[in-house]
Amino acid sequence: EAGVTQFPSHSVIEKGQTVTLRCDPISGHDNLYWYRRVMGKEIKFLLHFVKESKQDESGMPNNRFLAERTGGTYSTLKVQPAELEDSGVYFCASSQGASGSLGIQYFGAGTRLSVL
Amino acid sequence: SQQGEEDPQALSIQEGENATMNCSYKTSINNLQWYRQNSGRGLVHLILIRSNEREKHSGRLRVTLDTSKKSSSLLITASRAADTASYFCATDAGYSTLTFGKGTMLLVSP
Repeated sequence: EAGVTQFPSHSVIEKGQTVTLRCDPISGHDNLYWYRRVMGKEIKFLLHFVKESKQDESGMPNNRFLAERTGGTYSTLKVQPAELEDSGVYFCASSQGASGSLGIQYFGAGTRLSVL
Repeated sequence: SQQGEEDPQALSIQEGENATMNCSYKTSINNLQWYRQNSGRGLVHLILIRSNEREKHSGRLRVTLDTSKKSSSLLITASRAADTASYFCATDAGYSTLTFGKGTMLLVSP
């Protein structure tokens, strides 16, 4: 069974450009999460989908970030326009179940975003 | 300090030795989890311990949880070079999101 996959693995863009990150969760997982690790800091939660609905987006830094999960399958995270401080590694994770604290989250390898 | 803060920040040991990493947190939790990240790879789930558990084992891993001190420890016994990685603790306060610390970088030399 395939794990959580993320694309691209690395993206280098200039300040002001737009970047879209994609995450394919494990098949059948209702919960999908986005996290981010900025250099030297801890991994921080961005948002949580349950199927296609945003359950919690309290970690989204600002309105330059837009996450979608069409049809409750894969998810995209768009940054528009990108700023220097957006550089970091963006992780996606998924877990089973419909809602609530369910325990194990399975992570993808991450997308390393470099904004120049 | 941050929720789920690990110490030490870096640990260097020889193969065969035991490695102990600690994690402290600030708020009440539903469970605490440990993850490993090899360079350039994703986070791999190692072990989950619930708030009503005090100790848990999985292979060469032993995790303890002291909710009165809001702390946890991860012990890796008989370490191997392949254990070289960053280790993170993550707390789940019951809202389904994880709060991570900055991690401990473990280097196991042959």
